[in-house]
Amino acid sequence: EAGVAQSPRYKIIEKRQSVAFWCNPISGHATLYWYQQILGQGPKLLIQFQNNGVVDDSQLPKDRFSAERLKGVDSTLKIQPAKLEDSAVYLCASSLVPGLASNEQFFGPGTRLTVL
Amino acid sequence: AQTVTQSQPEMSVQEAETVTLSCTYDTSENNYYLFWYKQPPSRQMILVIRQEAYKQQNATENRFSVNFQKAAKSFSLKISDSQLGDTAMYFCAFTDTGRRALTFGSGTRLQVQP
Repeated sequence: EAGVAQSPRYKIIEKRQSVAFWCNPISGHATLYWYQQILGQGPKLLIQFQNNGVVDDSQLPKDRFSAERLKGVDSTLKIQPAKLEDSAVYLCASSLVPGLASNEQFFGPGTRLTVL
Repeated sequence: AQTVTQSQPEMSVQEAETVTLSCTYDTSENNYYLFWYKQPPSRQMILVIRQEAYKQQNATENRFSVNFQKAAKSFSLKISDSQLGDTAMYFCAFTDTGRRALTFGSGTRLQVQP
């Protein structure tokens, strides 16, 4: 079974530039999450999708971050414009059964973003 | 809001020995789930073990076991017979039945020494 795929793996940009990350969850997984992991911290949820609808985006900085999940499969996360404090690893995760809290989340390898 | 606290930023253990990683959490919920995730260097995060709050019996998965103290809001991970491949960041995480996304602690970096 293929895992969660993310690209690119690494990205370096200047502040005020824009950047986009892509995630392909495990086939059939209804729920998709984007987490931000700043160095030395645990991951923090940015946005949660169930199929192609948003379940929770309360911690997404909406003035600069946006995300979509077209057709309930792939997802993209965009930052525009980037700030220095956006330097982090962006993790995508997916889980199979909607609404099942004990559901295991499967994580992708992450995209490491450096903003200069 | 739920919070998860891991007070040990780094730990070291000799191969074949036992180590315990600590985690405390705060919630007003009565039913919830707790997890330990492992993040090896430059590799993907994977689930180690999970515990359902309404189950009094502590979860075990091979060499990994937890000590779940609901009243104390404590959830520690014990790794027995430590192996070099156990070297990783370990994150304690929480979710309630409604939110489903995970709230993570800050992690404990575990180094297994040969």
